[in-house]
Amino acid sequence: ETGVTQSPTHLIKTRGQQVTLRCSSQSGHNTVSWYQQALGQGPQFIFQYYREEENGRGNFPPRFSGLQFPNYSSELNVNALELDDSALYLCASSSRDRDRNSPLHFGNGTRLTVT
Amino acid sequence: DAKTTQPNSMESNEEEPVHLPCNHSTISGTDYIHWYRQLPSQGPEYVIHGLTSNVNNRMASLAIAEDRKSSTLILHRATLRDAAVYYCILRAINSGGSNYKLTFGKGTLLTVNP
Repeated sequence: ETGVTQSPTHLIKTRGQQVTLRCSSQSGHNTVSWYQQALGQGPQFIFQYYREEENGRGNFPPRFSGLQFPNYSSELNVNALELDDSALYLCASSSRDRDRNSPLHFGNGTRLTVT
Repeated sequence: DAKTTQPNSMESNEEEPVHLPCNHSTISGTDYIHWYRQLPSQGPEYVIHGLTSNVNNRMASLAIAEDRKSSTLILHRATLRDAAVYYCILRAINSGGSNYKLTFGKGTLLTVNP
């Protein structure tokens, strides 16, 4: 069973630029969610996708957007980067259909630095 | 979302049991209690979850108070690999079943001494 993989592992961008982060879900999982983790804090929920549709969103502005593909992989896009967007971005997958309380499986994240 | 309260940090010795407490006095009847941990430079890892009864798995045990206002994660024999931030999370499954987000606090940083 392949786990959740994220790419790239590290990224440096300049303020105002745009970034795309990628995530491959664990095999058999149809739900993917994204979290932002600032240094010293717990992860904060950005949004969730189920069968290619966004079905939950946290307190993040519209410049944070996402996609889920038919193979359940996912992208997180952030436009007009700000310095405060510097964080670890975590992707998590789960299988909603098997058990609505099923655990989330996280990747090891992408460390984004905005200068 | 219902809130949880955990100590900022705890310390343990290798091969000794560890009891990590969590208070959740505003828990609702449909909130499950989940525990995740995050090792350095890794994403969070699921540990265990429960609703009312105590739960055991290969990683840990979860003891839930009778009134459900608190719970304790028990690591039976701590190893150096157990050093991590432990998060206690209440996960609400609403009637539509569409909200599966996890609301993380700052967690408890567990240090394990050799």
